[in-house]
Formats: sequence, C-alpha cells, structure tokens
Amino acid sequence: AQTVTQSQPEMSVQEAETVTLSCTYDTSESDYYLFWYKQPPSRQMILVIRQEAYKQQNATENRFSVNFQKAAKSFSLKISDSQLGDAAMYFCASHSWGKFQFGAGTQVVVTP
Amino acid sequence: EPEVTQTPSHQVTQMGQEVILRCVPISNHLYFYWYRQILGQKVEFLVSFYNNEISEKSEIFDDQFSVERPDGSNFTLKIRSTKLEDSAMYFCASSNQGSSYEQYFGPGTRLTVT
Repeated sequence: AQTVTQSQPEMSVQEAETVTLSCTYDTSESDYYLFWYKQPPSRQMILVIRQEAYKQQNATENRFSVNFQKAAKSFSLKISDSQLGDAAMYFCASHSWGKFQFGAGTQVVVTP
Repeated sequence: EPEVTQTPSHQVTQMGQEVILRCVPISNHLYFYWYRQILGQKVEFLVSFYNNEISEKSEIFDDQFSVERPDGSNFTLKIRSTKLEDSAMYFCASSNQGSSYEQYFGPGTRLTVT
C-alpha cells in the first residue's frame, strides 16, 4: 500500500520569498511517480510538477522545483519568488500501477 | 485551451436516492478518472477507466458506485443509493498518456446528501 504524508498543515511566505513544502511517502513499488498538485480557492486541481522515481535529476518547472530523495522517500516542493497567485492548497501525490494516493495537503499563504 | 467540464456544479439529493455525476473529458484523451474530496480532507482516488472498462479502483469504489462512458464524449459516475457520508466534492480528470502523466481535472461537482 502507498501512503503519502504532508506534515505541514499550513505554511506562510512573504511575496518574493521562498517556501519549501515537505512530503514523505511510502511504497513497496520500484516503479512509481510523484506529483505536486495545486488547488486554489476555485478548487480545480492543477498539476505543478511531476517526478519519475527512476530519474535521479530533480524536476523543475519555472519557479517550482523538487528535492527528490529516493532513499529517504522524501519529495519536497520549493516555491521560489513566491507570488500572491501561489496561494493555494498543495497536495503531494504518488502513483503506482494505476492507483493514486494523495497527502492531506499544505495550505500556502502568501503575504504581501 | 481544452478543459474538462463537469455538471452539475452542485447536486443536492436525499439519502437513498441515485445520482449521476457527469463529466466531459478533453476530447482526445483516453484515460478517465474520478476522485472525491470530503470537505477539509484529502483527495481520494476512486477509479480509473480506459478502453471502456475500469482499469483500477480503490477500496472506496464499492458496489454502490459505477462508471460509464455512454457515448463518445461523456464519462459518468453513478452512486446508486446515496449515503450521508457520500457528501463530498467529486472531481473528474482525464489524460492522454495514462495515469503516470499529467491529469487534467474538472472543476468538480459538490454533492450534498441530506
């Protein structure tokens, strides 16, 4: 069974600063994928970044980057140069063999 | 930009009634999913669907749930006899490369069971 843990219910960051969201996961599979999804107040889920477990290189997507530590089963998300539009709930998720598991989410608050 | 649409945006039903939640995935996508999110809780995977059959389903997706692609555009989730605990936001998603790749989510249908 897969489990995904996000230990930070809420993180606050000032505009233009950097915030890191933590995520740990547990899976017995060797082939899996990891995702960060953003859910703004509109509630529509938007993919932020995706990481293939077999790739050692950390995924990046503009201001968003991950620190993927496979041995530690850790998959943190760094948001650089935070913007007001980054305010949302962020979910970490794992996928293996067609099944998804989401974490409980971290609410990101961006202050001017 | 193409998007996933869901109707209705909000459905209120009485306990024991059947509901059908509708989704129109992005037109060239082949993989379809349903998720639910109970208010204030995490998103939970329900089911994935490909080639007119269920690919995977979670423990939540029991006999009261069913999915169907009745025509070339719609993807529906039916809940046969709703319970109070079925109250949640239900999200449909689709992808064109399988579930390991980006899924495009719809805006959700809020289901309230009274």
